[in-house]
Formats: sequence, C-alpha cells, structure tokens
Amino acid sequence: ETGVTQSPTHLIKTRGQQVTLRCSSQSGHNTVSWYQQALGQGPQFIFQYYREEENGRGNFPPRFSGLQFPNYSSELNVNALELDDSALYLCASSSSGVAYEKLFFGSGTQLSVL
Amino acid sequence: AQSVTQLDSQVPVFEEAPVELRCNYSSSVSVYLFWYVQYPNQGLQLLLKYLSGSTLVESINGFEAEFNKSQTSFHLRKPSVHISDTAEYFCAVSLFSGGYNKLIFGAGTRLAVHP
Repeated sequence: ETGVTQSPTHLIKTRGQQVTLRCSSQSGHNTVSWYQQALGQGPQFIFQYYREEENGRGNFPPRFSGLQFPNYSSELNVNALELDDSALYLCASSSSGVAYEKLFFGSGTQLSVL
Repeated sequence: AQSVTQLDSQVPVFEEAPVELRCNYSSSVSVYLFWYVQYPNQGLQLLLKYLSGSTLVESINGFEAEFNKSQTSFHLRKPSVHISDTAEYFCAVSLFSGGYNKLIFGAGTRLAVHP
C-alpha cells in the first residue's frame, strides 16, 4: 500500500486566482472524495469521483471542479478564489465508495487566500 | 437532514486519566457511525466504526465507543489516556443519497493529554 498523497502541502494564492490541487489515491482504489476543512471545523464534502465520473456533489459552487484520471489520481480545481476558500483540502480514497467502507485520507493541502 | 454534534470543542486531561468524547447525531434512517483521529500535520485515520450488531465497538489502541440508538449518541471513551493520544477526534455519520456515499463530520474535539 502506497497511501494517499497530496500536493502541494501548502499554497498561498490571492483573491481571484485559480488553483489546482492534486491527489494520488491508494493503489487499487477507484473512488476519490474531496473535503474542505476550514479552521476549527470538521471536513465538509465537496464531491466524489468514481471511475473518472463525478457521482456526487456537496453544497459547493460550480467554481469548484474536479477530474479523475485513468490511473485514479485526481485534481481539485478552484476558480475565482475567495478569502473564505482558505482551508485544508483533504483527499480520501476507497475501493468502492460504499457507505460502510473505511476512507483513506491524505495529509491535505493547506490553502491560504490573501 | 443528517447532522453530527460534538459537544466539546476541547477536552484537557491528565495522563492515565479516563476520557469521554461526546458525539450525538440526527438521522431518520439507520446509520453507520465512525470516529476518525487527526494527529498534527497528518490526514484523518479511522479509529473505529459501528455498522451493526454489538453496540460496543473497540479500536486496537484501547478506545471504545458505544452506539446508543435511543439517545442517538456514539460517545468515544478510553479508560487511561497517554500523551500520544493528543489529537483532534472527529465523529462522522455516513449518508447514502443520490447514488453515492459521503461522510458528515462533527466539528471535532481536541484532546490534550498533559503529563
């Protein structure tokens, strides 16, 4: 098992810019979810990809978008950054996405928007 | 709508003392419940989960949690904590809707173990 890895670990952007965050899923996992963890809060679900298709989305605007690639790595893209987008972004992978399954989380990307 | 409430944002405790981290959930359907732990500068790791069957579930490092359906609670306990248990603990409920599954997390409880 190689684990879930995310890059970069830290990122500083200014308001209005665009950002791309990357995630490499655990080997054999075809489902990836992205979560936003604001300071002092629990992670909030952004969206989920299963076999390169988005199959679920939380309460986030369309400027949050994603991709999942054939090797099951994925990206989170955020356009027109706002100050409130400052948060820790977590990627989590699983082998099937069923409700009772354990999620494997990466260490996250800390995004600061100035 | 499902939600998770963690009643304590911070819990300070001395080493070797017992601890309880409280979690309540709201749901109109059967749920799967989880506790995840986040050590500094690391991602979340699954501590334990309740799916069905015995209402008392245990982790490999001495934590246990009891599912109480009537009180809609899933409190986490450990009889004797160590310095290394210092971390952020998140309670979560699994929601399946629209053909996909997501976790709904509480705001977290920061456990600080002092010598």
